[in-house]
Amino acid sequence: DIQMTQSPSSLSASVGDRVTITCRTNQTIANFLNWYQQKPGKVPSLLISAAFTLQSGVPSRFSGRGSATDFTLTIASLQPEDFATYYCQQSFLTPCTFGQGTKLEVK
Amino acid sequence: EVQLVQSGAEVKKPGESLRISCKGSGYTFSNYWIGWVRQMPGKGLEWMTIIYPDDSKTRYSPSFQGRVTISADKSISTAYLQWRSLRASDTAMYYCVRLNGDSANDYWGQGTLLTVSS
Repeated sequence: DIQMTQSPSSLSASVGDRVTITCRTNQTIANFLNWYQQKPGKVPSLLISAAFTLQSGVPSRFSGRGSATDFTLTIASLQPEDFATYYCQQSFLTPCTFGQGTKLEVK
Repeated sequence: EVQLVQSGAEVKKPGESLRISCKGSGYTFSNYWIGWVRQMPGKGLEWMTIIYPDDSKTRYSPSFQGRVTISADKSISTAYLQWRSLRASDTAMYYCVRLNGDSANDYWGQGTLLTVSS
């Protein structure tokens, strides 16, 4: 299995902050990296696929970058609705493993 | 509108069998991989298995191979996840997901909560 290392595991920030979450893989995955958001008690939703493709309806303050083994998710200016848990996932090879998640909390 | 509608919550005893379902609508069911993701209480997401309904080709995570079986009936646009003998450690939320062209999970079902307890 491809191993995912997502950091940090938790992050405290304030509305308006710029935050970056990192995801690293133990082998190259081209750009087959996806990001999901999950709010407490809710179903996860796809934010970004293929490293940087924003899904329809996702605000432009979200952006993804990276290739090969190193990827980032950046939220340019945090909004109250962005406090949630974020997961990366590689879809280069099955099993399409997830990162362990980053819980973004209000400072 | 694409929708994945899952069967309802289940409470089962250890050793019992179970099949949960996921009905797709709003798209050509046969032409997209569909799969299952597990989330244990308070934990992260785990990729379990996928199936291509048109030819029933499957993929399993080694962590779940032999413990669950995925199947699909394209005539009724429904995917299934089956256990032969449940354990307490199977207690979790199970999400049905559709895979897009990048193999990302672009649509999610509402989740099926499974509780296994004696």
